[in-house]
Amino acid sequence: GENVEQHPSTLSVQEGDSAVIKCTYSDSASNYFPWYKQELGKGPQLIIDIRSNVGEKKDQRIAVTLNKTAKHFSLHITETQPEDSAVYFCAVSDGGNAGNMLTFGGGTRLMVKP
Amino acid sequence: KAGVTQTPRYLIKTRGQQVTLSCSPISGHRSVSWYQQTPGQGLQFLFEYFSETQRNKGNFPGRFSGRQFSNSRSEMNVSTLELGDSALYLCASSQQSRADTQYFGPGTRLTVL
Repeated sequence: GENVEQHPSTLSVQEGDSAVIKCTYSDSASNYFPWYKQELGKGPQLIIDIRSNVGEKKDQRIAVTLNKTAKHFSLHITETQPEDSAVYFCAVSDGGNAGNMLTFGGGTRLMVKP
Repeated sequence: KAGVTQTPRYLIKTRGQQVTLSCSPISGHRSVSWYQQTPGQGLQFLFEYFSETQRNKGNFPGRFSGRQFSNSRSEMNVSTLELGDSALYLCASSQQSRADTQYFGPGTRLTVL
């Protein structure tokens, strides 16, 4: 089955700096790559997603890049703010027989120091 | 639109009991997926229901089951609870069932004593 690895597991940055989180996946048939942010006591919140026919997508301070050949994708957060502190998860889906099943990475705890 | 709602938010049970969790998807969404989140195993897919049919099932024992009603609301049941079933159970809804965008609820925190 699909295997998703996420790095780093923890990331500490100064407010205003950029943060980058990387994920690699194993199934070349995967074609949907969402990123979720989870705050303490809450469910995961979708922050951005990308599909395999696109190499990059940006939404204000957040961007995702996808390299299908190398089977990895990354989340970029610029101008980080204290409210960006949370756990971030990448996920992968192939959309075929697996329907909506998402395979998640292990998560990255991002800490933004004021 | 209201988001995904899950009830109850917190639950304490003892080993051997059974439990039923409920999920109401976003209005108009026909797919509901369930996930288990634990510190050790992370987020793991349990199953997905679409139009009242189980679409896919993760690698969990038969003690974990679910169903979906005609209004798309879904329930999951865990029988003969074990200590290791303590987790945050999350449901997510989406409009379709083909790598569609999923929106998560707040989860139900289950503690098994």
